[in-house]
Order: sequence, then C-alpha cells, then structure tokens
Amino acid sequence: QVHLVESGGGVVQPGRSLRLSCAASGFIFSSYAMHWVRQAPGKGLEWVAVIWSDGITKYYADSVQGRFTISRDNSKNTLYLQMNSLRAEDTAVYYCARAYLQPLPYHWGQGTLVTVSS
Amino acid sequence: EIVLTQSPGTLSLSPGERATLSCRAIQSVNDNYLAWYQQKPGQAPRLLIYGASSRATGIPDRFSGSGSGTDFTLTISRLEAEDFAVYYCQQYGSAPNTFGQGTKVEIK
Repeated sequence: QVHLVESGGGVVQPGRSLRLSCAASGFIFSSYAMHWVRQAPGKGLEWVAVIWSDGITKYYADSVQGRFTISRDNSKNTLYLQMNSLRAEDTAVYYCARAYLQPLPYHWGQGTLVTVSS
Repeated sequence: EIVLTQSPGTLSLSPGERATLSCRAIQSVNDNYLAWYQQKPGQAPRLLIYGASSRATGIPDRFSGSGSGTDFTLTISRLEAEDFAVYYCQQYGSAPNTFGQGTKVEIK
C-alpha cells in the first residue's frame, strides 16, 4: 500500500525559506521518480518539480526555477522540497506524488498547506 | 512549455448522461504522455487515465481516454453521482510538465 505523508507546511513571511518533507512507505522508494505539485486556494493544479530515482535528474516549473530545490534521501525514504525566496503567489497546498508505469504523478499524498504572508 | 487548454470550463449534465471533456495542446505531446485526473473538494487528485487511453488501477470502465498529438478527450459514458467533480489533463512528455486549467462537471 503506497503511503505518502507531507509535512513542513505553515505560515512564512515573504522572502523567507521553508523545507517540505514527504515520508514514503509501502514501496521501494529508491526505485521511483517523485513529483511535487501545488494548488493555490480555489485554483487549479500546478506541477512544480520532479526528481528521478537516480536523485540526479531533476526538472522544475519555470515559476520556481532557481528558488526551489527538489531532493531525496533514499536511506530515509523521504522526498524534500527546499523553498527559498518565497512569494505570496507560492501560497498553496503542496502535494507529493509517486510515479508509476510512466513518469507521471500516479499516487498522491494528502498535501500540506504553505501560506506566504507578512 | 506546452500549454494545455481544456473545454468546456463547466459542463452541466444529469446522472446517466454522457460527458465529453476536451484537452488541446499547443504542440504535440511526446509519446502521447497525457493523463487525466479527477479532484473532489478537499481531496487530493486521483489519476484516472495515463498514456492518453490507459485506465489507472481501480478506475471504472465508464471512464475512457482517447486522442493523440494535440487533441485528447476524456469520456464518461454514463455519469454517476460520484463523478461530479473537477477534471484536469496533464502532459508529462516534456519538461516542464503542465496541467490544463480544469473542467468542472456539475449536476444539472
């Protein structure tokens, strides 16, 4: 049973940093690509980043490139999203998701809310 | 990046009716790497279709996907009460991956 639990969300001031975590269980974490996807309040889904199972290949949305860093610790079965220089428009629920069969978000966590506000 | 446009924005239908949702890309989606998700209020998205036409595990066969290149369709053959939700398409054949803006299927 794939289980993904996001944590680390909260209220943060503009310009500050925050690190999200996604604890994975029920599968061999090191074998799968992992995604972050976000959703601003009342808005649609926005893909944020992906990291392949090798931990080296990474891609980002243009809106977060240079500010956010996706990483993984396969020994801890944990995915991370380091978010720097946060802006009001980064306010959203952040979901982690596991790829399966093809490189898309297949299994999803329940999300963690990040609010960027002074 | 590949921009996806979904239509219509809202679809008002009755239970038992057929729903046809469209997703159009500004350029061809590599390998037809096009997915459809369903999202209900307060819930995470659920994958319905991947690879344009393959159903995800546990998805009822009233959901079907079709299309290739730049034009894709999600069809719900007979709407059931639990199908009223927002539906998103996503392309994952090119980086950055992108989502459409969503289609809301509401009860008429």
